[in-house]
This record gives sequence, structure tokens and C-alpha cells, in this order.
Amino acid sequence: SQQGEEDPQALSIQEGENATMNCSYKTSINNLQWYRQNSGRGLVHLILIRSNEREKHSGRLRVTLDTSKKSSSLLITASRAADTASYFCATDNAGNNRKLIWGLGTSLAVNP
Amino acid sequence: DTAVSQTPKYLVTQMGNDKSIKCEQNLGHDTMYWYKQDSKKFLKIMFSYNNKELIINETVPNRFSPKSPDKAHLNLHINSLELGDSAVYFCASSPQGGSSPLHFGNGTRLTVT
Repeated sequence: SQQGEEDPQALSIQEGENATMNCSYKTSINNLQWYRQNSGRGLVHLILIRSNEREKHSGRLRVTLDTSKKSSSLLITASRAADTASYFCATDNAGNNRKLIWGLGTSLAVNP
Repeated sequence: DTAVSQTPKYLVTQMGNDKSIKCEQNLGHDTMYWYKQDSKKFLKIMFSYNNKELIINETVPNRFSPKSPDKAHLNLHINSLELGDSAVYFCASSPQGGSSPLHFGNGTRLTVT
């Protein structure tokens, strides 16, 4: 069953602005991962954050995790047109055969 | 130097036909997967293999049969194709199952007419 739910479903911003996407989930997790999917391509892993971590950074990406609210956010700072893609969160549920559960994704458009 | 490669990229076929999609990874990973992504971009796991052994079979119709001749290859054969099988199929691999990050191929867009 679907676990992760991204919010918003679609986001359109101007180059240079920050983009924030949220992911909510329902059950306890071992970790949460964010992926990017460019049009017509496969998903690319961005960041993995473990259940005992609260924040992680990678370049212009910042991921937070709030296990009490069962939510995570992905912040892309100083966005570029090349950041235009769909972004997915995936949760590794504790005890659920260790398979990833995926959300529906946020479609981000960064306008030049 | 492609990490996870799958062929073909596009597959257009008629209902009732049988088709195969091939996947190979050169990352030395132990675990491989098949995912289906529908028109709304929802990703659903179909199968997972670890070292040629089936780990996950996610209530997929038995018209779909994965085959892993070795841990670097995971092929997907589909019998008696139906309209509802139209989707993008992704192969992926990971160093170990469960929580490790996945490396995806670029997908095979299957269109059944």
C-alpha cells in the first residue's frame, strides 16, 4: 500500500528561488529516501536519512525528518532550470519485508 | 559505462503477444528489482531478487515471470499482454536489499494496443 505522500503535487517557481517539498508517511520507518526523476529517465537517489537523524545536507539539498509527525521535507536552495523534475520520497518500513514504499511525487518546474 | 541498462527503451505490441525486457547491472550489486510506473507516475514494486533468489513477489499476475540467470541480470517476460500492462517498467539494483539506495535503469515504455 502507498505510504509516502508528497505535498504539493506540483510546484512552479522561478530560477534562484527555493523549493520545498514535503512527504508524510504512516508507519514507523528505518529510513526515508528522496529521489529525482527527470522526464523520460530513471529515478536518481538524492539523500537517505535514517530514523535517528533529523537533518542532512547534500550540496543545495537539505532534508529534514520529524518522526513524531511522520514527515520529511526536501529543500532545494537557489533552484536552477536543471532542477525541473519529479521528486519522490520512499520509506523503508520497519518490519515490512524491508521494501521501499513510494509516494506519488512532486512535479517541480523551475522557470528560467 | 552504464550502471543499470535495460532494453528495449520502447516496446509497442498488440494484445495477446508475449514480450521480454532485459536488464543488466555492472555495479556488482546483490539485489535487483522490477518496478512498474503508471501514467500517474505511481511506482509499484513487482519483484525483487537477491543473488538470483526471488525475495519479493508483489501480487503480480502470473503472466509476468522474472528470470535471473545470474546476479547481474534480471529479465522480465510477459505473456498474453493486456491493455492494462501499458506502463513504464524500471529495473533497479542495490548493494543489499531493504534500505540501501536503488540505482535505476532508464525504463522501458511498454504500449499495448
